[in-house]
Amino acid sequence: EVQLVESGGVLVQPGGSLRLSCAASGFTFSSYEMNWVRRAPGKGLEWVSYISTSGSTIYYADSVKGRFTISRDNAKNSLYLQMNGLGAEDTAVYFCARENLNYGDYVFDYWGQGTLVTVSS
Amino acid sequence: EIVLTQSPATLSVSPGEGATLSCRASQRVSINYIAWYQQTPGQAPRLLIYGASKRATGVPARFIGSGSGTNFTLTISSLEPEDFAVYFCQQRYDGPPTFGPGTKVDIK
Repeated sequence: EVQLVESGGVLVQPGGSLRLSCAASGFTFSSYEMNWVRRAPGKGLEWVSYISTSGSTIYYADSVKGRFTISRDNAKNSLYLQMNGLGAEDTAVYFCARENLNYGDYVFDYWGQGTLVTVSS
Repeated sequence: EIVLTQSPATLSVSPGEGATLSCRASQRVSINYIAWYQQTPGQAPRLLIYGASKRATGVPARFIGSGSGTNFTLTISSLEPEDFAVYFCQQRYDGPPTFGPGTKVDIK
């Protein structure tokens, strides 16, 4: 069974940093592109970042570019999101999502339950 | 960036009734690049439809995607209790992938 389990979400002060993790199991992690998607309270989903299978290709939403860094460790079946310079606008539930190219680019067939990041003083 | 608008924001439906959800794009999107997701409170989003009309593995036949150009529709033919949720459309045709704001389907 495919499982994605996020962790690392906490209450952090504005300007602070945080590292989110996503532990993957039930599939060959190294064969799949991965993404982070977030949902702010009362708002819709927002794509945050993409990483290719090897980690050599990375994309970010403009809203996080220069502040967030996505990475992966295929040996540990894990995806990460380093978040720096956090602001209130980053408050959201963060989901890791598996991209399935059988369905098309940026189509996410499995998602984790999410981890809540709250930025507040 | 393509902006997706969904309507209505909330749809109240009785179990067993049908529901029609609309997703409108700010510019033309190829049908290959429209997806629909379902999210219930506290749960992970679930892929329902990709390529505008193709059901993902395990998705019941009561979920029907259609549309083209700038107008896309998700129809739920007869709502089951587990279908009361928020539904998001998504495009990945041009620029970064974007999602609509969602339609909440609640029990009438």
